[in-house]
Amino acid sequence: AQTVTQSQPEMSVQEAETVTLSCTYDTSESDYYLFWYKQPPSRQMILVIRQEAYKQQNATENRFSVNFQKAAKSFSLKISDSQLGDAAMYFCVNQGGSEKLVFGKGTKLTVNP
Amino acid sequence: NAGVTQTPKFQVLKTGQSMTLQCAQDMNHNSMYWYRQDPGMGLRLIYYSASEGTTDKGEVPNGYNVSRLNKREFSLRLESAAPSQTSVYFCASSRQGIYEQYFGPGTRLTVT
Repeated sequence: AQTVTQSQPEMSVQEAETVTLSCTYDTSESDYYLFWYKQPPSRQMILVIRQEAYKQQNATENRFSVNFQKAAKSFSLKISDSQLGDAAMYFCVNQGGSEKLVFGKGTKLTVNP
Repeated sequence: NAGVTQTPKFQVLKTGQSMTLQCAQDMNHNSMYWYRQDPGMGLRLIYYSASEGTTDKGEVPNGYNVSRLNKREFSLRLESAAPSQTSVYFCASSRQGIYEQYFGPGTRLTVT
């Protein structure tokens, strides 16, 4: 069975600084995807970044980047130059051979001005 | 494009009442999903439909039924609501296969 673990229930960062959110996962699939989704107070789920497991290069999307360590089954999210609008719940998500997503429990990120 | 829409946004039910949550997408996606989100949890899959005419159980299907009415619409029905079904419900859609899912705005349901 697939599992996703986010060990940091809450994190905080000063505006303009960098923060890293941790995620580990377990899967028996050889072909899978990993995602980070953001959920602001509006409740809307927003895709932040995606990583295909077969790609060795870490995905980057503007101020967001990941550190994907396949052997260690680790998938962390780095947010650079943090902005007030980055404050949200962040979910690490795994999608394996089926189309089902498996979510971690989330990390609540606070951005301090 | 509206993306994924859900109705209603909020609902309060009494124990034993029934209701249907509606979901529609205008992205021509084959796959659609229903999730629930409880406090301190990520989303958990209730049911999904890989294509029109097919539905499958997810992680937490008990107490729910679904209907894939056509390619655009996927409804979730609670036949006899229970307080344990108090939650926020999300509908999502995606292209068939392993692709990112696009989510609706959610329905906050309270069962008293």
